[in-house]
Amino acid sequence: GENVEQHPSTLSVQEGDSAVIKCTYSDSASNYFPWYKQELGKGPQLIIDIRSNVGEKKDQRIAVTLNKTAKHFSLHITETQPEDSAVYFCAASPGGTSILTGGGNKLTFGTGTQLKVEL
Amino acid sequence: EAQVTQNPRYLITVTGKKLTVTCSQNMNHEYMSWYRQDPGLGLRQIYYSMNVEVTDKGDVPEGYKVSRKEKRNFPLILESPSPNQTSLYFCASMGRGRTEAFFGQGTRLTVV
Repeated sequence: GENVEQHPSTLSVQEGDSAVIKCTYSDSASNYFPWYKQELGKGPQLIIDIRSNVGEKKDQRIAVTLNKTAKHFSLHITETQPEDSAVYFCAASPGGTSILTGGGNKLTFGTGTQLKVEL
Repeated sequence: EAQVTQNPRYLITVTGKKLTVTCSQNMNHEYMSWYRQDPGLGLRQIYYSMNVEVTDKGDVPEGYKVSRKEKRNFPLILESPSPNQTSLYFCASMGRGRTEAFFGQGTRLTVV
Protein backbone atom coordinates (compact mmCIF):
# COMPACT_ATOMS: atom_id res chain seq x y z
CA GLY A 1 0.00 0.00 0.00
CA GLU A 2 0.83 3.67 -0.04
CA ASN A 3 3.36 5.05 2.46
CA VAL A 4 3.67 8.79 3.04
CA GLU A 5 6.63 10.23 4.92
CA GLN A 6 6.54 13.81 6.19
CA HIS A 7 9.34 16.06 7.45
CA PRO A 8 10.06 17.81 9.67
CA SER A 9 7.94 16.69 12.59
CA THR A 10 8.31 20.11 14.22
CA LEU A 11 9.14 23.45 12.66
CA SER A 12 9.66 26.78 14.37
CA VAL A 13 9.94 30.00 12.35
CA GLN A 14 9.90 33.70 13.06
CA GLU A 15 6.86 35.66 12.02
CA GLY A 16 7.27 36.83 8.44
CA ASP A 17 9.63 34.03 7.47
CA SER A 18 8.76 31.20 5.11
CA ALA A 19 8.01 27.62 6.12
CA VAL A 20 8.43 24.51 4.02
CA ILE A 21 7.08 21.05 4.81
CA LYS A 22 8.07 18.11 2.65
CA CYS A 23 6.42 14.79 1.92
CA THR A 24 7.33 11.75 -0.10
CA TYR A 25 5.04 8.98 -1.25
CA SER A 26 5.68 5.48 -2.48
CA ASP A 27 2.79 4.50 -4.75
CA SER A 28 3.16 5.76 -8.31
CA ALA A 29 -0.60 5.31 -8.74
CA SER A 30 -1.26 8.23 -6.36
CA ASN A 31 -2.41 11.30 -8.25
CA TYR A 32 -4.13 13.50 -5.69
CA PHE A 33 -2.22 15.25 -2.88
CA PRO A 34 -4.13 17.35 -0.33
CA TRP A 35 -2.80 19.27 2.64
CA TYR A 36 -4.80 19.58 5.85
CA LYS A 37 -4.34 22.04 8.70
CA GLN A 38 -5.30 21.05 12.23
CA GLU A 39 -5.67 23.85 14.72
CA LEU A 40 -5.58 23.12 18.42
CA GLY A 41 -8.71 21.33 19.57
CA LYS A 42 -10.15 21.04 16.07
CA GLY A 43 -10.33 18.51 13.29
CA PRO A 44 -8.13 18.72 10.19
CA GLN A 45 -9.31 21.08 7.48
CA LEU A 46 -8.33 21.09 3.82
CA ILE A 47 -6.21 24.10 2.90
CA ILE A 48 -4.86 23.26 -0.55
CA ASP A 49 -4.51 20.30 -2.87
CA ILE A 50 -2.80 19.39 -6.11
CA ARG A 51 -3.28 16.77 -8.76
CA SER A 52 -0.52 14.98 -10.60
CA ASN A 53 -1.11 16.80 -13.86
CA VAL A 54 -0.06 20.06 -12.19
CA GLY A 55 3.41 20.95 -10.91
CA GLU A 56 2.52 23.88 -8.68
CA LYS A 57 -0.54 25.52 -7.21
CA LYS A 58 -0.82 28.75 -5.23
CA ASP A 59 -3.48 30.24 -3.01
CA GLN A 60 -2.43 33.56 -1.50
CA ARG A 61 0.39 32.81 0.96
CA ILE A 62 0.38 29.07 0.53
CA ALA A 63 1.63 26.99 -2.37
CA VAL A 64 2.13 23.35 -3.08
CA THR A 65 4.67 21.86 -5.47
CA LEU A 66 4.75 18.35 -6.85
CA ASN A 67 7.60 16.38 -8.39
CA LYS A 68 5.89 13.24 -9.63
CA THR A 69 9.10 11.72 -10.94
CA ALA A 70 10.76 11.92 -7.54
CA LYS A 71 7.49 11.28 -5.69
CA HIS A 72 7.94 14.46 -3.64
CA PHE A 73 5.47 17.19 -2.80
CA SER A 74 5.88 20.19 -0.56
CA LEU A 75 3.85 22.86 1.20
CA HIS A 76 5.23 26.40 1.18
CA ILE A 77 3.90 29.11 3.46
CA THR A 78 5.25 32.62 2.91
CA GLU A 79 5.06 35.60 5.26
CA THR A 80 4.07 33.38 8.15
CA GLN A 81 1.73 34.73 10.79
CA PRO A 82 0.92 33.50 14.30
CA GLU A 83 -2.39 32.08 13.07
CA ASP A 84 -0.43 29.72 10.82
CA SER A 85 0.68 27.86 13.96
CA ALA A 86 -0.94 24.42 13.73
CA VAL A 87 -0.31 20.81 12.78
CA TYR A 88 -0.12 20.22 9.04
CA PHE A 89 -0.78 16.87 7.39
CA CYS A 90 0.03 15.89 3.84
CA ALA A 91 -1.81 13.03 2.19
CA ALA A 92 -1.75 10.99 -0.99
CA SER A 93 -4.47 9.17 -2.84
CA PRO A 94 -5.10 7.46 -6.14
CA GLY A 95 -7.93 9.98 -6.39
CA GLY A 96 -11.25 9.09 -7.93
CA THR A 97 -14.61 9.66 -6.38
CA SER A 98 -14.18 7.82 -3.12
CA ILE A 99 -10.81 8.80 -1.71
CA LEU A 100 -12.17 8.63 1.78
CA THR A 101 -12.48 4.88 1.46
CA GLY A 102 -9.99 2.09 1.54
CA GLY A 103 -8.81 0.02 -1.37
CA GLY A 104 -7.71 1.69 -4.52
CA ASN A 105 -8.92 5.14 -3.60
CA LYS A 106 -7.54 5.39 -0.09
CA LEU A 107 -6.40 8.67 1.49
CA THR A 108 -3.07 8.01 3.24
CA PHE A 109 -1.80 10.68 5.62
CA GLY A 110 1.70 11.67 6.62
CA THR A 111 2.71 11.81 10.27
CA GLY A 112 2.15 15.55 10.65
CA THR A 113 4.26 18.67 11.20
CA GLN A 114 3.80 20.93 14.20
CA LEU A 115 4.44 24.45 12.91
CA LYS A 116 5.08 27.19 15.44
CA VAL A 117 5.30 30.79 14.29
CA GLU A 118 7.05 32.90 16.89
CA LEU A 119 6.60 36.62 17.33
CA GLU B 1 -24.02 25.06 8.96
CA ALA B 2 -22.38 22.07 7.26
CA GLN B 3 -20.64 20.01 9.87
CA VAL B 4 -19.56 16.66 11.25
CA THR B 5 -20.47 16.25 14.90
CA GLN B 6 -18.80 13.79 17.23
CA ASN B 7 -19.79 12.96 20.78
CA PRO B 8 -18.43 12.90 23.34
CA ARG B 9 -15.45 15.22 22.95
CA TYR B 10 -13.66 13.70 25.92
CA LEU B 11 -14.08 10.28 27.49
CA ILE B 12 -12.24 8.44 30.22
CA THR B 13 -13.21 4.81 30.68
CA VAL B 14 -11.95 1.59 32.19
CA THR B 15 -10.61 -1.46 30.40
CA GLY B 16 -13.36 -3.72 29.14
CA LYS B 17 -16.30 -1.34 29.46
CA LYS B 18 -18.10 -1.10 26.13
CA LEU B 19 -18.42 2.38 24.67
CA THR B 20 -19.76 4.09 21.58
CA VAL B 21 -18.55 7.29 19.98
CA THR B 22 -21.21 8.86 17.81
CA CYS B 23 -20.68 10.68 14.52
CA SER B 24 -23.28 12.55 12.55
CA GLN B 25 -23.04 14.66 9.38
CA ASN B 26 -25.63 17.00 7.91
CA MET B 27 -24.24 17.22 4.37
CA ASN B 28 -25.92 14.10 2.94
CA HIS B 29 -22.49 12.62 2.29
CA GLU B 30 -22.23 9.03 1.11
CA TYR B 31 -18.76 8.34 2.44
CA MET B 32 -17.80 8.31 6.10
CA SER B 33 -14.69 7.15 7.88
CA TRP B 34 -13.06 6.87 11.29
CA TYR B 35 -9.42 7.72 11.99
CA ARG B 36 -7.25 7.62 15.05
CA GLN B 37 -4.47 10.12 15.59
CA ASP B 38 -1.42 9.15 17.62
CA PRO B 39 1.86 11.07 18.14
CA GLY B 40 4.36 10.25 15.44
CA LEU B 41 1.87 8.10 13.54
CA GLY B 42 -0.41 10.68 11.98
CA LEU B 43 -3.96 9.79 11.02
CA ARG B 44 -4.70 6.12 10.47
CA GLN B 45 -7.95 4.85 9.06
CA ILE B 46 -9.93 2.47 11.26
CA TYR B 47 -13.11 1.77 9.27
CA TYR B 48 -14.96 3.37 6.41
CA SER B 49 -18.40 3.26 4.87
CA MET B 50 -19.30 3.92 1.26
CA ASN B 51 -23.03 4.11 1.95
CA VAL B 52 -25.79 2.79 4.18
CA GLU B 53 -25.14 -0.80 5.23
CA VAL B 54 -21.77 -0.82 3.41
CA THR B 55 -18.72 -0.81 5.68
CA ASP B 56 -15.17 -2.11 5.43
CA LYS B 57 -11.93 -2.25 7.38
CA GLY B 58 -9.23 0.37 7.15
CA ASP B 59 -5.64 0.01 8.29
CA VAL B 60 -6.17 -0.50 12.02
CA PRO B 61 -9.61 -2.12 12.55
CA GLU B 62 -8.71 -4.50 15.38
CA GLY B 63 -10.79 -3.87 18.49
CA TYR B 64 -13.33 -1.65 16.75
CA LYS B 65 -16.77 -2.05 15.18
CA VAL B 66 -18.92 0.30 13.16
CA SER B 67 -22.41 0.41 11.75
CA ARG B 68 -24.11 2.51 9.09
CA LYS B 69 -27.86 2.11 9.46
CA GLU B 70 -28.60 5.68 8.44
CA LYS B 71 -26.80 7.87 5.95
CA ARG B 72 -26.04 10.62 8.43
CA ASN B 73 -24.73 8.48 11.32
CA PHE B 74 -21.61 6.35 11.64
CA PRO B 75 -20.94 5.28 15.24
CA LEU B 76 -17.65 3.76 16.37
CA ILE B 77 -18.01 0.94 18.88
CA LEU B 78 -15.35 -0.38 21.21
CA GLU B 79 -16.72 -3.63 22.62
CA SER B 80 -13.90 -4.16 25.13
CA PRO B 81 -11.60 -1.13 25.22
CA SER B 82 -7.95 -1.59 26.11
CA PRO B 83 -5.31 0.98 27.09
CA ASN B 84 -3.72 0.80 23.61
CA GLN B 85 -6.91 2.32 22.25
CA THR B 86 -6.20 5.52 24.13
CA SER B 87 -6.07 8.02 21.29
CA LEU B 88 -7.64 10.99 19.55
CA TYR B 89 -10.41 9.85 17.21
CA PHE B 90 -11.79 11.67 14.18
CA CYS B 91 -14.81 11.01 12.07
CA ALA B 92 -14.84 12.34 8.51
CA SER B 93 -17.27 12.48 5.63
CA MET B 94 -17.10 13.17 1.91
CA GLY B 95 -19.66 13.55 -0.82
CA ARG B 96 -19.77 11.37 -3.89
CA GLY B 97 -17.59 12.78 -6.66
CA ARG B 98 -15.87 15.17 -4.26
CA THR B 99 -12.33 15.16 -2.92
CA GLU B 100 -12.53 17.22 0.27
CA ALA B 101 -12.92 15.32 3.52
CA PHE B 102 -14.78 17.09 6.34
CA PHE B 103 -13.64 16.15 9.82
CA GLY B 104 -15.37 16.30 13.16
CA GLN B 105 -13.72 18.03 16.10
CA GLY B 106 -12.37 14.84 17.56
CA THR B 107 -12.93 12.62 20.58
CA ARG B 108 -10.14 12.28 23.10
CA LEU B 109 -10.43 8.78 24.57
CA THR B 110 -8.47 7.54 27.56
CA VAL B 111 -8.72 3.89 28.61
CA VAL B 112 -7.32 3.13 32.06
